[in-house]
Amino acid sequence: DVKVTQSSRYLVKRTGEKVFLECVQDMDHENMFWYRQDPGLGLRLIYFSYDVKMKEKGDIPEGYSVSREKKERFSLILESASTNQTSMYLCASRQDRGRFNQPQHFGDGTRLSIL
Amino acid sequence: AQSVTQPDIHITVSEGASLELRCNYSYGATPYLFWYVQSPGQGLQLLLKYFSGDTLVQGIKGFEAEFKRSQSSFNLRKPSVHWSDAAEYFCAVGGNNNDMRFGAGTRLTVKP
Repeated sequence: DVKVTQSSRYLVKRTGEKVFLECVQDMDHENMFWYRQDPGLGLRLIYFSYDVKMKEKGDIPEGYSVSREKKERFSLILESASTNQTSMYLCASRQDRGRFNQPQHFGDGTRLSIL
Repeated sequence: AQSVTQPDIHITVSEGASLELRCNYSYGATPYLFWYVQSPGQGLQLLLKYFSGDTLVQGIKGFEAEFKRSQSSFNLRKPSVHWSDAAEYFCAVGGNNNDMRFGAGTRLTVKP
């Protein structure tokens, strides 16, 4: 079974802090994704990566950056946290670039509160 | 680009009753379709997927979904709901790109 692990289930930070959310997958997947989930809005894609050191902006990249130095790890960075970034963050991975019919596999999420 | 609509924000059914959750998609070619379930405080778990072949797809936990191209729909069904099915359900559509679009979700409440 695919295992996607997010480093924290709950996180509380202060406005203006730099925040790191970490995600690790154990199945050698090429693709990794960061989503934000808010009530009534479903999942919105922040960034995705299709290979090491490669990244693409999603629908809502403003205020975020990402890092993928190793294939198994994909980090989401809030450069200067703001209260409107309080949300549930979900990481996902998917097998094989080009095999778009493969499902994404999700971590348990990080509930981030910015005070 | 593809998009997906889940018309029902919240559905309540009695335990043992049948269930149908609606999903409509928009995409110009044959879509890849998925249903996920999310229990409170958890990530999303894949229930089933469709990308070709038989339009009636069986999934885990007794769920099935039917792809109807003429109606651009991929509704999720279960003949008899259990209390443990209470959760939020997301329909997703992918295409021949790295883009996957999720619906806003349908929250299912199960009455005893």
